[in-house]
Amino acid sequence: AQTVTQSQPEMSVQEAETVTLSCTYDTSESNYYLFWYKQPPSRQMILVIRQEAYKQQNATENRFSVNFQKAAKSFSLKISDSQLGDTAMYFCAFMKHSSGNTPLVFGKGTRLSVIA
Amino acid sequence: DVKVTQSSRYLVKRTGEKVFLECVQDMDHENMFWYRQDPGLGLRLIYFSYDVKMKEKGDIPEGYSVSREKKERFSLILESASTNQTSMYLCASSLGTRQGYGYTFGSGTRLTVV
Repeated sequence: AQTVTQSQPEMSVQEAETVTLSCTYDTSESNYYLFWYKQPPSRQMILVIRQEAYKQQNATENRFSVNFQKAAKSFSLKISDSQLGDTAMYFCAFMKHSSGNTPLVFGKGTRLSVIA
Repeated sequence: DVKVTQSSRYLVKRTGEKVFLECVQDMDHENMFWYRQDPGLGLRLIYFSYDVKMKEKGDIPEGYSVSREKKERFSLILESASTNQTSMYLCASSLGTRQGYGYTFGSGTRLTVV
């Protein structure tokens, strides 16, 4: 079974600074997908970024980028120019690429606070 | 945008009651999921469904059942609510997991069992 580990339960960052959230995963699969989700205080989970394991190029979405290290099974999220609206729980998630249907496996989350 | 609507944002029920949590999506997604979210435990999968009338157990199905009579609706049922089922429940849908699509989530139902 796949597992996802987020080793930082809580983090804080000053507004306009850069912060990196860590995520590692354990799998024997060679092809899979990785995701970062954001859950603000409003509780609506929002997809931040998605990475396909067979693509070596790191995904980016505006101020959000990932550092995907397949050999190390690491998938960290970097938030640049942090904004107050980035305050949220962040979940890393894994999905196996399969001919069948496989659901997302989530980490336990990192609570990020952006401080003015 | 795809919308996933959970019928209740907050719910308070008594121990032993039968509880229905409803979830509706409006974009013809095949796949629907129920997760439970608890502090320090992240999201844990309860049940999921890949088609009408089909269901599969997730990691923590005990004490729960589901119903999917129509493609757009996926209901989570607590047969006899207990205090340890007090939690946040999140419903999600996706177009298809085979291509690695992400999920669209509802806003969650915070259930308190007293």
